[in-house]
Amino acid sequence: GESVGLHLPTLSVQEGDNSIINCAYSNSASDYFIWYKQESGKGPQFIIDIRSNMDKRQGQRVTVLLNKTVKHLSLQIAATQPGDSAVYFCAENKGAGRRALTFGSGTRLQVQP
Amino acid sequence: DTEVTQTPKHLVMGMTNKKSLKCEQHMGHRAMYWYKQKAKKPPELMFVYSYEKLSINESVPSRFSPECPNSSLLNLHLHALQPEDSALYLCASSRETGGDTYEQYFGPGTRLTVT
Repeated sequence: GESVGLHLPTLSVQEGDNSIINCAYSNSASDYFIWYKQESGKGPQFIIDIRSNMDKRQGQRVTVLLNKTVKHLSLQIAATQPGDSAVYFCAENKGAGRRALTFGSGTRLQVQP
Repeated sequence: DTEVTQTPKHLVMGMTNKKSLKCEQHMGHRAMYWYKQKAKKPPELMFVYSYEKLSINESVPSRFSPECPNSSLLNLHLHALQPEDSALYLCASSRETGGDTYEQYFGPGTRLTVT
């Protein structure tokens, strides 16, 4: 996940709809993946994480899916609310036990009331 | 409590100034991190401390000097910065077992402007 350009991809959804944010990761050695939400002027906020020995993990209103075959990660948000509007970043650790996280370029989620 | 605090919230400094950013956590985490984030970009790792020792330096210029005085505190000393160093500087912390990667908790950041 390298950052590209100055324009974040944007996903616009209606309040109450489900949102799916996708992320392609780069390193097949990565064994830990995490999603963060970042609101304007704030630091990234932890949403959910998943290890490579799992395909799916659920939290409150959020689900993360991991497809190691195609190196793809997705975040599903159920019943999206205006408060979910933010930039969402996926991150990977690029190797077992590595502490360093490498972030993807981010997706802006806009929730229309 | 999953709070990481950072001071100051905003900092404006000239290129000849010396200043420091401070970060504190009381979660008992033994890994602490500095990231730099430019506008509309993802955070980029600068430094990692593990058990108060520097374990990763991502080829950061020497005008940035990290310090970890104890297990709760992390500082970033700034000297002779350039205007392109203007960014949001984020501190994070996580558990540290030496074996697995764990979620990192971020502070709100310090918005730095170099004039």
